[in-house]
Amino acid sequence: AQTVTQSQPEMSVQEAETVTLSCTYDTSESDYYLFWYKQPPSRQMILVIRQEAYKQQNATENRFSVNFQKAAKSFSLKISDSQLGDAAMYFCAYRGGAGGTSYGKLTFGQGTILTVHP
Amino acid sequence: NAGVMQNPRHLVRRRGQEARLRCSPMKGHSHVYWYRQLPEEGLKFMVYLQKENIIDESGMPKERFSAEFPKEGPSILRIQQVVRGDSAAYFCASSPLSSRSSETQYFGPGTRLLVL
Repeated sequence: AQTVTQSQPEMSVQEAETVTLSCTYDTSESDYYLFWYKQPPSRQMILVIRQEAYKQQNATENRFSVNFQKAAKSFSLKISDSQLGDAAMYFCAYRGGAGGTSYGKLTFGQGTILTVHP
Repeated sequence: NAGVMQNPRHLVRRRGQEARLRCSPMKGHSHVYWYRQLPEEGLKFMVYLQKENIIDESGMPKERFSAEFPKEGPSILRIQQVVRGDSAAYFCASSPLSSRSSETQYFGPGTRLLVL
């Protein structure tokens, strides 16, 4: 079974600074997708960024970027120029590709609470 | 384009009652997924449905829980004879018809179920 591990229960950052959230995963599948979701106090799940395993280039969305190390099964999220609105719980998630045993379902990590200090 | 809609947003039930949670996927999406989030935990997959079909229900408890996604209308997650341990946030997500872009799931706001 696939597992996703976020080893940092809590992180904090000063406004305008950069922070990196860690995520590792375990899988035997070759085709899969990785995601970071944000859950603010409203508890709405918001997609931050996604990465296809077959792509070597790291995904980037404005201030958010990932460091995808496929061999190490590591998928960290870097938030640059942190803003107060970035404060939330961040979840790393894995989804298998079509034909795999985990196709369809997202497997989530335990989450990292990010605090942004003004 | 409206997002994923869930209702009710909050639901209070007494032990032994039935809870019925509804999810309307985004327009053009034919895949629906249900997840449960217990307090202070991450989301756990429950069931994956397409129109009139259950694709994967490996995360559903064997008893009291059922889900459907009829040809017309919203997807329904039903919990019969609720117990206090069912108190949680239940999230629905949807994705488009199968294609590479279908790999992203978009979430609704969730239904918070409280069992007294």
